Amino acid sequence: QSALTQPASVSGSPGQSITISCTGTSSDVGGYNYVSWYQQHPGKAPKLIIYEVSNRPSGVPDRFSGSKSGNTASLTISGLQAEDEADYYCSSYTSSSTYVFGTGTKVTVL
Amino acid sequence: QLQLQESGPGLVKPSETLSLTCTVSGGSISTSGYYWGWIRQPPGKGLEWIGSISYSASSYYSPALKSRVTVSVDTSKNQFSLKLSSVTAADTAVYYCARLLTGGLHDCWGQGTLVTVSS
Repeated sequence: QSALTQPASVSGSPGQSITISCTGTSSDVGGYNYVSWYQQHPGKAPKLIIYEVSNRPSGVPDRFSGSKSGNTASLTISGLQAEDEADYYCSSYTSSSTYVFGTGTKVTVL
Repeated sequence: QLQLQESGPGLVKPSETLSLTCTVSGGSISTSGYYWGWIRQPPGKGLEWIGSISYSASSYYSPALKSRVTVSVDTSKNQFSLKLSSVTAADTAVYYCARLLTGGLHDCWGQGTLVTVSS
């Protein structure tokens, strides 16, 4: 069970849109619609921002959106804001009834 | 409002067993459909899923750690626990406990506790 693959870093200017990819296999991302995304600011616990591929918990701004195609899930942040600068992790259910996280992506707001 | 709080030693010697407890407040650990999980994060690195357990003690573990991990639940105390045996420096990390809902979402996390493995 290897970690899901994410780009190490993504950057964008305020107001722009960015997309973070999360690539797995047919045994995890591709096999289930149980992909979640988490935002983590330095020194803080992760915060759930997307679940079941594209659903947002209450209180999460609608500029965060998720999608999936095949073995790759994606998180898009539209209208990038300074407070979006953080680390982002994807997670997926696996065929072993366990979970696996992605390698993490550092988002920088230029 | 549901809250989770990790507790346990911050320093563990190599080859010994790491033991942590997560206390759940503001809700019952015995609620059907919920699992309770452990996730860790080595300093400067990414998240690693360790394992999870239901109130009825149905548990699942990461294949990478399965031989060394035990997660247990104590419904009378509204707590669940992690034991990781034969620790090495590679097990040094911030350990988080979290609630795991159907659909794979870890929706509520503890603040995390740093455990250092060193002699």
